[in-house]
Amino acid sequence: EAQVTQNPRYLITVTGKKLTVTCSQNMNHEYMSWYRQDPGLGLRQIYYSMNVEVTDKGDVPEGYKVSRKEKRNFPLILESPSPNQTSLYFCASREDRDTYYEQYFGPGTRLTVT
Amino acid sequence: EDQVTQSPEALRLQEGESSSLNCSYTVSGLRGLFWYRQDPGKGPEFLFTLYSAGEEKEKERLKATLTKKESFLHITAPKPEDSATYLCAVQAPDSGYSTLTFGKGTMLLVSP
Repeated sequence: EAQVTQNPRYLITVTGKKLTVTCSQNMNHEYMSWYRQDPGLGLRQIYYSMNVEVTDKGDVPEGYKVSRKEKRNFPLILESPSPNQTSLYFCASREDRDTYYEQYFGPGTRLTVT
Repeated sequence: EDQVTQSPEALRLQEGESSSLNCSYTVSGLRGLFWYRQDPGKGPEFLFTLYSAGEEKEKERLKATLTKKESFLHITAPKPEDSATYLCAVQAPDSGYSTLTFGKGTMLLVSP
């Protein structure tokens, strides 16, 4: 089954404690991205990756890092989380940069930073 | 300035009561307009892509249409399982290939 998986699904942490949210896809997609979803603001892209070792900033990259060492994995790293990073996070993948019509989203990670 | 505006924010329908959701956009040179469905606690699920004015796509009870300024998602004889948040997103020329700009969504509730 084609899918994007994220872990953990729920996370409560404290300000400043480094955390990583993992994302993995089994469709051999080149293109992966991270979004955050906040009430009243909609989905906003944090970072994206067009292939292994190729990453770039989206609309709201401050406070986040990513890496793409393997094609299937695209972890999101918060080096020093702050309360304004409390949000619902989605990982997404698609075959390449143009195939938005086949963009698959993961189930989401709800992060609370206290 | 919002590039994508969805209305209404929330819509409550009775089962079988047809209606339309609106997505208006202000970008010029639209590369693509996308509709997604999002169920509570889940990631968005792709529904339709529209590329040019006059284009229409259909899937079961849903039909998406596109003009030069807006898109409509028509829901014919909805059922309770159509209850979800519907998201519209656009790909604009100046955003490159990397970014979709999403609207805030319309939350649809269909009562039996």
